Amino acid sequence: SQQGEEDPQALSIQEGENATMNCSYKTSINNLQWYRQNSGRGLVHLILIRSNEREKHSGRLRVTLDTSKKSSSLLITASRAADTASYFCATGVRLYSGAGSYQLTFGKGTKLSVIP
Amino acid sequence: DGGITQSPKYLFRKEGQNVTLSCEQNLNHDAMYWYRQDPGQGLRLIYYSQIVNDFQKGDIAEGYSVSREKKESFPLTVTSAQKNPTAFYLCASRGRVRGTDTQYFGPGTRLTVL
Repeated sequence: SQQGEEDPQALSIQEGENATMNCSYKTSINNLQWYRQNSGRGLVHLILIRSNEREKHSGRLRVTLDTSKKSSSLLITASRAADTASYFCATGVRLYSGAGSYQLTFGKGTKLSVIP
Repeated sequence: DGGITQSPKYLFRKEGQNVTLSCEQNLNHDAMYWYRQDPGQGLRLIYYSQIVNDFQKGDIAEGYSVSREKKESFPLTVTSAQKNPTAFYLCASRGRVRGTDTQYFGPGTRLTVL
């Protein structure tokens, strides 16, 4: 059951420009995470935002979360060719009340191409 | 890719054969996960294990089996009952980042059925 849906499916920009990717989901969540995947490789965790947070920053990454609209955005500023990858959002829902663990549901990803 | 290793990187299987994918972690994480990724798709959860000797089915467990005899290891067997096994398989373990759980992924195994 895929909950997160990224938009756009593919994005091509020039080096130095900003890249914005969006994620929408359908049910209540405990947190939302963004991951990056280089072609044929595993996923790398980028950033996590909790359901009671609205914005987080990490280096050139900025993530927003709007729980009323059930949407999140990932902004990569001053993009570099090395940012070329697929980016996935994953919604985290607790497995059961009080649990320290939760289940992640991944979207299909946005394929970002940064042209030098 | 952290302290999670998957082997082999590429695996070829004939139809009707069972095959086992290895996943090992040295991060001392309790929870481990197996996902399947098809071209242009997100990840789908196959099985997960919260603790040694315990595991639970995910969204697409049919045709797969797992074991968790050791904390470090969570092997996945793709059985002949899995109708469309060709895919990229990712293993992950869960740890804490700044007080919140997150998942760390291995490099993946690409399985091709001939």
